Amino acid sequence: AQKITQTQPGMFVQEKEAVTLDCTYDTSDPSYGLFWYKQPSSGEMIFLIYQGSYDQQNATEGRYSLNFQKARKSANLVISASQLGDSAMYFCAMRDPLTRKLIFGQGTTLQVKP
Amino acid sequence: DTEVTQTPKHLVMGMTNKKSLKCEQHMGHRAMYWYKQKAKKPPELMFVYSYEKLSINESVPSRFSPECPNSSLLNLHLHALQPEDSALYLCASSQERTGLSGYTFGSGTRLTVV
Repeated sequence: AQKITQTQPGMFVQEKEAVTLDCTYDTSDPSYGLFWYKQPSSGEMIFLIYQGSYDQQNATEGRYSLNFQKARKSANLVISASQLGDSAMYFCAMRDPLTRKLIFGQGTTLQVKP
Repeated sequence: DTEVTQTPKHLVMGMTNKKSLKCEQHMGHRAMYWYKQKAKKPPELMFVYSYEKLSINESVPSRFSPECPNSSLLNLHLHALQPEDSALYLCASSQERTGLSGYTFGSGTRLTVV
């Protein structure tokens, strides 16, 4: 069975600094997709970045980058130049290719300090 | 149009009431999902519709009844709910073969059962 683990319940970062949110995964399927979502207190789940298991390069999207280490089964999210608006809950998720289920980790609450 | 629209945003209902949650997307996505999310927890999958047919029911109690009238609409009918059903209900959609766009989520309906 597929599993996503986020071991950091809460993180603090100073404004304008970079922060890394950890995510490890477990799957026996060679084909999989990994996602990061941001959920502010308003509730909306905002898609940030995607990494496919066969992608040769780490995904980047603006200030977001994904540090994909396939052998270690980790897909950490790096947010550069943190902003106050980055304060939110962040979820790492994996797509099951057969069922199309999106399996979420427990989430990490990020607070950006001014 | 790259949005998933959910209505209402907030709903308070009694345990004997019947209400419905509505979800709409016009991105041509053929898979649609209902998730339930309790505070500070990850979303939990409830139902998956693929090409307007129910493909996954995650053993959800029958007081929750999904409906997919057409490829753009997804409803969740609620009847005789319990206070523990109070949660954020998220709708999402995806292409049948999920690519870089991943899953698009709505902003959710915050349900309170009194």
